[in-house]
Amino acid sequence: ETGVTQSPTHLIKTRGQQVTLRCSSQSGHNTVSWYQQALGQGPQFIFQYYREEENGRGNFPPRFSGLQFPNYSSELNVNALELDDSALYLCASSAATGVRYEQYFGPGTRLTVT
Amino acid sequence: GEDVEQSLFLSVREGDSSVINCTYTDSSSTYLYWYKQEPGAGLQLLTYIFSNMDMKQDQRLTVLLNKKDKHLSLRIADTQTGDSAIYFCAETPPTGRRALTFGSGTRLQVQP
Repeated sequence: ETGVTQSPTHLIKTRGQQVTLRCSSQSGHNTVSWYQQALGQGPQFIFQYYREEENGRGNFPPRFSGLQFPNYSSELNVNALELDDSALYLCASSAATGVRYEQYFGPGTRLTVT
Repeated sequence: GEDVEQSLFLSVREGDSSVINCTYTDSSSTYLYWYKQEPGAGLQLLTYIFSNMDMKQDQRLTVLLNKKDKHLSLRIADTQTGDSAIYFCAETPPTGRRALTFGSGTRLQVQP
């Protein structure tokens, strides 16, 4: 069984640029959630995708957007990057049935905005 | 709104028991979780407890839930140096998107 994978591992961008982060969910999972973890803090919920549709959103501006594909992999897009967007971005997958309360995280993408 | 609070730091000696505490405010929380994060890594799901339970044991881990006081604890028996990490408490509501709300994390330092 393959776990949650994310790419790239690290990324450096300049303020104002756009970035796309990618996530492959764990085998058998059709729900993907994205979280932002600033240094020294707990993860904050960005949004969740289920069956290719957004299924809830946290307190993040519209320049944070996402997609989910038919194979349940997902992308997080951030436009007009700001310095405060520097963080570890975590993707978590879960099943829609059975043990759907278990969310499994990938290793994260470390984004640095300069 | 939802809020989860944890103490920032705990230091124990190898072989001792560690107890990490967490309080939450959302009385409708259904599941309460403990995650472990090692330096530079993602989050590892350790265990979780359903709100109608008061205790769950899984090998060296014991979770205690006091629903009246909205207090959750994680006890690690026979703590090892490999247990050094940041531990996050998280909760999720009973319906809807089941987004996790995390505390700020407790850094556990295990001294040899």
